[in-house]
Amino acid sequence: GAVVSQHPSRVICKSGTSVKIECRSLDFQATTMFWYRQFPKKSLMLMATSNEGSKATYEQGVEKDKFLINHASLTLSTLTVTSAHPEDSSFYICSARVPGRSTEAFFGQGTRLTVV
Amino acid sequence: GENVEQHPSTLSVQEGDSAVIKCTYSDSASNYFPWYKQELGKRPQLIIDIRSNVGEKKDQRIAVTLNKTAKHFSLHITETQPEDSAVYFCAATQGAQKLVFGQGTRLTINP
Repeated sequence: GAVVSQHPSRVICKSGTSVKIECRSLDFQATTMFWYRQFPKKSLMLMATSNEGSKATYEQGVEKDKFLINHASLTLSTLTVTSAHPEDSSFYICSARVPGRSTEAFFGQGTRLTVV
Repeated sequence: GENVEQHPSTLSVQEGDSAVIKCTYSDSASNYFPWYKQELGKRPQLIIDIRSNVGEKKDQRIAVTLNKTAKHFSLHITETQPEDSAVYFCAATQGAQKLVFGQGTRLTINP
């Protein structure tokens, strides 16, 4: 199957700083990637759809300036949490599909962000 | 947009018994319905999926049924084992569009 790798798996940062999370498709090219946020014991909530070479599409209620998404290549999408606050602490996870092959979504390992 | 409702939120069954988790969706255009198993702190793992042109699919102890008319689909796990304990999510999507997840079911298998 296809492999999606996410880095880092865990990060602790101070309030007010920014954190960048990377999502890579290792053995396929992904024109579209999806970023989810998951609170403890809750479901995965889609934050935005990352489109290679164009602007991301954000879900309603997600702050574009707070969660910056860049999809500069066919194998890499990044999510930057800017000016992080404790309420941004969460599990962030990306996914991608193999174009033209199937509808199955492949997930990264997730990133546990803790803002102190 | 699509809305997926999942029940129950928690489910506890005796080892060896069957477990059933149910989901409903709102968008009749949705045509792909995967089920994921997620262990604590891990990524979701696809365990089975079904497309709208099929009413039932089975893979060993796991089966999924789909009722397009009623817009609901269910996950059935038979002969449950302790390692089946996890959180299960259903999802719905149209083609390669974004997945919309249900709220999740925490399944506990009691030995």
